[in-house]
Amino acid sequence: SYVLTQPPSVSVAPGKTARITCGGNNIGSKSVHWYQQKPGQAPVLVIYYDSDRPSGIPERFSGSNSGNTATLTISRVEAGDEADYYCQVWDSSSDSYVFGTGTKVTVL
Amino acid sequence: QVQLVQSGAEVKKPGASVKVSCKASGYTFTSYGISWVRQAPGQGLEWMGWISAYNGNTNYAQKLQGRVTMTTDTSTSTAYMELRSLRSDDTAVYYCARVSSHLQFDYWGQGTLVTVSS
Repeated sequence: SYVLTQPPSVSVAPGKTARITCGGNNIGSKSVHWYQQKPGQAPVLVIYYDSDRPSGIPERFSGSNSGNTATLTISRVEAGDEADYYCQVWDSSSDSYVFGTGTKVTVL
Repeated sequence: QVQLVQSGAEVKKPGASVKVSCKASGYTFTSYGISWVRQAPGQGLEWMGWISAYNGNTNYAQKLQGRVTMTTDTSTSTAYMELRSLRSDDTAVYYCARVSSHLQFDYWGQGTLVTVSS
């Protein structure tokens, strides 16, 4: 089955840029979506279709996808961005949705 | 506004079954599919399966085949997920989510904690 690998943790100072990677075989050929999950809350979609933002999501959140790596970038990081982040794709080979392993973003 | 409201927490014994509901509002229920996702304590997100609210077609994660059944009631815009032969490692928060045009999960329910314990 298709595997999506994320770094377990990323630490970033307020005002700086956080980059969270999502690695998968030829992931650039798939549509990648990103979710933010704060403790005790349901996930929230922050990026879909590689780089589109749902309404209400700040422009500070952006995404890219090429080759074997997709990236979620959070610019001008704020304390409120501290959360777990998950990437997700649809894998047509296995006819299933797949989530990444998740990355905990800590704001220093 | 789109809302998915799930049923309340459940405590079950090993071997029992649980049925979680997810009531949709704010959109045309039959125009979107519903996926179910679970999250064990301290763990990541695990996709369980998908159901078309239009025609009831389903697609279950291989790991849960034979133990899970997803249904919908279009008259009440409600989706259901039943999991049978519960084990302790089924203890998790269960979420329903609406599946949108690019196969992203754009709206989520609040989650339902299912605890399996003897």
